[in-house]
Amino acid sequence: AQTVTQSQPEMSVQEAETVTLSCTYDTSESDYYLFWYKQPPSRQMILVIRQEAYKQQNATENRFSVNFQKAAKSFSLKISDSQLGDAAMYFCAYRRSQGAGSYQLTFGKGTKLSVIP
Amino acid sequence: DAGVTQSPTHLIKTRGQQVTLRCSPKSGHDTVSWYQQALGQGPQFIFQYYEEEERQRGNFPDRFSGHQFPNYSSELNVNALLLGDSALYLCASSPGWGQGKTYEQYFGPGTRLTVT
Repeated sequence: AQTVTQSQPEMSVQEAETVTLSCTYDTSESDYYLFWYKQPPSRQMILVIRQEAYKQQNATENRFSVNFQKAAKSFSLKISDSQLGDAAMYFCAYRRSQGAGSYQLTFGKGTKLSVIP
Repeated sequence: DAGVTQSPTHLIKTRGQQVTLRCSPKSGHDTVSWYQQALGQGPQFIFQYYEEEERQRGNFPDRFSGHQFPNYSSELNVNALLLGDSALYLCASSPGWGQGKTYEQYFGPGTRLTVT
């Protein structure tokens, strides 16, 4: 079974600074998707960024970028120029690309990010 | 364009009772998944519906059941409620099976269920 581990329960960053959230995963698959979701106090899970495992290039979405190390099964999220609105729980998630279980997301336990003004 | 909607927002039930939660998918989506998020945890997959059938199921007992209607909306039913069923229940929708770009799931705001 696939597992996703987020080893940092809480992180903090000064406004305008850069922070990196860590995620590792375990899978025997070669093709899969990885995601970072943000869950603010409003509870709505919002997709921040996605990465296809077959793509070597790291995904980037504005201030958000990932460092995808397939061999190490590592998928970290970097937030640049942190803003107060970035404060939230961040969840790393995995999904198989095909076959049984390919539509279910497996989540880590999350990292609570605080942004200090 | 309305996103995923869920009702009710909050719900309080007593042990042993039954509960029904509702979800309307994002416009254009025909696949609905349900997740349970216990306090301080990441969401856990319950099951997924497409074409009114349960297509995949996570490690949840038969007390958890669901339904999908012809308009793609969905219900989650939980029977014989336990204290441990207290959680945030999230619904997510996505474009359906076999349509290519199915990797993104859009989540609703959730229903907070408290079992006393």
